[in-house]
Amino acid sequence: QQQVKQSPQSLIVQKGGISIINCAYENTAFDYFPWYQQFPGKGPALLIAIRPDVSEKKEGRFTISFNKSAKQFSLHIMDSQPGDSATYFCAASMDTRDDKIIFGKGTRLHILP
Amino acid sequence: NAGVTQTPKFQVLKTGQSMTLQCAQDMNHEYMSWYRQDPGMGLRLIHYSVGAGITDQGEVPNGYNVSRSTTEDFPLRLLSAAPSQTSVYFCASSGPGQGLYNEQFFGPGTRLTVL
Repeated sequence: QQQVKQSPQSLIVQKGGISIINCAYENTAFDYFPWYQQFPGKGPALLIAIRPDVSEKKEGRFTISFNKSAKQFSLHIMDSQPGDSATYFCAASMDTRDDKIIFGKGTRLHILP
Repeated sequence: NAGVTQTPKFQVLKTGQSMTLQCAQDMNHEYMSWYRQDPGMGLRLIHYSVGAGITDQGEVPNGYNVSRSTTEDFPLRLLSAAPSQTSVYFCASSGPGQGLYNEQFFGPGTRLTVL
């Protein structure tokens, strides 16, 4: 119940295309769903996050779509650029003092120039 | 603010050796954690702490010890290194009042190889 399942494991997209990464969860107590971006040799960094009271959140070219009934959420990267090439992790957590976050296994995204 | 700092950046150990990975944060965060990252396995939680003097186990705690004597520091100790502990280790911190609630700030990582 604590798992977050992420797909695909790797993704290749042409420059200018749309990159889509999907995640699913089981625990309905999760109420915070962040996406982290990690470049090679660096630590992950928060990219964008959503709470389940909204179905979509957009920040620039990055959009999270959230489907509460299906317990799924996804990251869309519009007009994908070579600089977006990185590993992306979805995650989920609960609003408690224990800030544990459960991460998906990650998606390696490569944008072809 | 330096954020989350980790030392060393790289380390090579022989099987059976012990060492301590250092982690410090200057954001007055209550929550600190250690993860290991292995290919295809994502980020797996080793140990975490919700405040000074309080620690708890994560998903993969065996072979590692932690302590939290101050808010700033959260060292990770490998008691007797094994090749299975070859990995990249990340320290992270989070706390109220720093950006989004639950936003984890990660250090740059320590790449550990155990021969």
